Amino acid sequence: NAGVMQNPRHLVRRRGQEARLRCSPMKGHSHVYWYRQLPEEGLKFMVYLQKENIIDESGMPKERFSAEFPKEGPSILRIQQVVRGDSAAYFCASSLKTAGSTGELFFGEGSRLTVL
Amino acid sequence: QQQVKQSPQSLIVQKGGISIINCAYENTAFDYFPWYQQFPGKGPALLIAIRPDVSEKKEGRFTISFNKSAKQFSLHIMDSQPGDSATYFCAASKGGSARQLTFGSGTQLTVLP
Repeated sequence: NAGVMQNPRHLVRRRGQEARLRCSPMKGHSHVYWYRQLPEEGLKFMVYLQKENIIDESGMPKERFSAEFPKEGPSILRIQQVVRGDSAAYFCASSLKTAGSTGELFFGEGSRLTVL
Repeated sequence: QQQVKQSPQSLIVQKGGISIINCAYENTAFDYFPWYQQFPGKGPALLIAIRPDVSEKKEGRFTISFNKSAKQFSLHIMDSQPGDSATYFCAASKGGSARQLTFGSGTQLTVLP
């Protein structure tokens, strides 16, 4: 059973370009979370999605960032007009949440974005 | 109020020693406290987790101690091994689930052979 798959693992963009990060959750998982990790810091929650729905986007910047989890295909985190401060590791996690469970998160290996 | 404060930032322990990492939180609504282990270039992996209805949970060499009144919890790694060298993150969330975790800033543990 493959784990959470993220691609690309490394992405380099120039200021003003767009970055698209993809995440395929573990098989059977319908809940996806995106976290951002700056160097030497912990992970910061960005957004929580279920299929075709954004459940909680309280951690996502209001401008330039968007996320989707379509009925078919991977979840995508999109960053428009990137700036140097967007350079970070972006982690996707998925969970199989059933009633009464903790909905343990399984993290992917991350996508490392570098903005030149 | 959403912060989780973690210390120390780095820790060096001899093989066989005990590693202790501490976390403190402010939000009394938090009711799920996991610890994650992260190796360089990898994603975090759940190590052990606790709910506030118990004061201690042990899994192998890893133990979480939880002090609800002090709003603190800690990770103890007994008989630390070089393979334990990694970054450890505490986290907390509400609603009894792992949804929307608030992470500490991490502790880089080095276990010397």
